Amino acid sequence: GAGVSQSPRYKVAKRGQDVALRCDPISGHVSLFWYQQALGQGPEFLTYFQNEAQLDKSGLPSDRFFAERPEGSVSTLKIQRTQQEDSAVYLCASSRERLNTGELFFGEGSRLTVL
Amino acid sequence: QKEVEQNSGPLSVPEGAIASLNCTYSDRGSQSFFWYRQYSGKSPELIMFIYSNGDKEDGRFTAQLNKASQYVSLLIRDSQPSDSATYLCAVNTGNQFYFGTGTSLTVIP
Repeated sequence: GAGVSQSPRYKVAKRGQDVALRCDPISGHVSLFWYQQALGQGPEFLTYFQNEAQLDKSGLPSDRFFAERPEGSVSTLKIQRTQQEDSAVYLCASSRERLNTGELFFGEGSRLTVL
Repeated sequence: QKEVEQNSGPLSVPEGAIASLNCTYSDRGSQSFFWYRQYSGKSPELIMFIYSNGDKEDGRFTAQLNKASQYVSLLIRDSQPSDSATYLCAVNTGNQFYFGTGTSLTVIP
């Protein structure tokens, strides 16, 4: 596609439910990032993939968060047993280059609300 | 100390004025620097990037980088109401992309 595509755009979950957020990066982009953005805050790093390899997951806030990119293109961020503090916009970004060069192109985000 | 610090504002300027946005970063090994604009409810979009010390101009926007002072700025000349948004400073350290919390800019007609 022409840009980074994320789905669903909006998700309401009851506390304790599992959710899965999908990111379809720009075709051919090597790097893929997940960020969490709370209201009024900047994006906070969650995890980074270079092709199918998850090179950095240091930003994942707990073991309830899991991300994968099995074929080096589409990525899924899964949150198990959601909590209210998980409510945020989850942004996916991709880059043509490896980490140390290039700009990030963002998707529209998935807004998660946990009740 | 956060990796990237910005004054959260809000910053208000009259239409036609110069808006000045500032950012400091902590990792001296940082390699590239970016300014993103984020409208409310939208995703960030790239405004400018800069790699070398000095100024880089693109239309009404000028990015300034001082690696010795670990300081990046964005100047917006002839500010327009459509420039009203949150501006995010981002730093690529070679290991990670870090974002500041953003500066909210309002251009008053």
